[in-house]
Amino acid sequence: EADIYQTPRYLVIGTGKKITLECSQTMGHDKMYWYQQDPGMELHLIHYSYGVNSTEKGDLSSESTVSRIRTEHFPLTLESARPSHTSQYLCASSEYGATYTDTQYFGPGTRLTVL
Amino acid sequence: SQKIEQNSEALNIQEGKTATLTCNYTNYSPAYLQWYRQDPGRGPVFLLLIRENEKEKRKERLKVTFDTTLKQSLFHITASQPADSATYLCALDMGGNTPLVFGKGTRLSVIA
Repeated sequence: EADIYQTPRYLVIGTGKKITLECSQTMGHDKMYWYQQDPGMELHLIHYSYGVNSTEKGDLSSESTVSRIRTEHFPLTLESARPSHTSQYLCASSEYGATYTDTQYFGPGTRLTVL
Repeated sequence: SQKIEQNSEALNIQEGKTATLTCNYTNYSPAYLQWYRQDPGRGPVFLLLIRENEKEKRKERLKVTFDTTLKQSLFHITASQPADSATYLCALDMGGNTPLVFGKGTRLSVIA
């Protein structure tokens, strides 16, 4: 079982609030990812990182930002939440350095509802 | 343009039969192809990886094939069980510093 954690698991918040979704992994993986997924729909990559101080935007335009100050920690921040941000957010990490493949291990997800 | 397609959105099969799921891609050159399982409300879980120079890979009741000429991977679950009901995602792994490209998934229902 992968050691990757996300908090909170569920969050209901009002419009305009600032929120940070936490993601941590204890596997020492360099690569980390954030995906957005609506129920029954496909995964959309919104941010990724290949190591400390490296962040890139994914395929789906997102109003969120990320940071990677420590290898194990990859938080995602929404400065001003809106109802259109309601979705499930999945964090993943990859053991690329060990296998040279991008096999990803996913956290349990955060289900965000913005009222 | 680049595309990855999982041909069926949903597949219903009888318990005990073999489920076959298809993943096709165009204008990509993956070094590996991966398959994941996703249950409702949870993150995907890695199942199998096959390299571009491998024709077939097996793990217990799972079998994956990879045909780089046809640009297609087939994912088989033999002796399927209701517990195999889930969404199955294929993903293209280009190798190097390129994120995985996920398909939309096929929702498999195994009926007892």
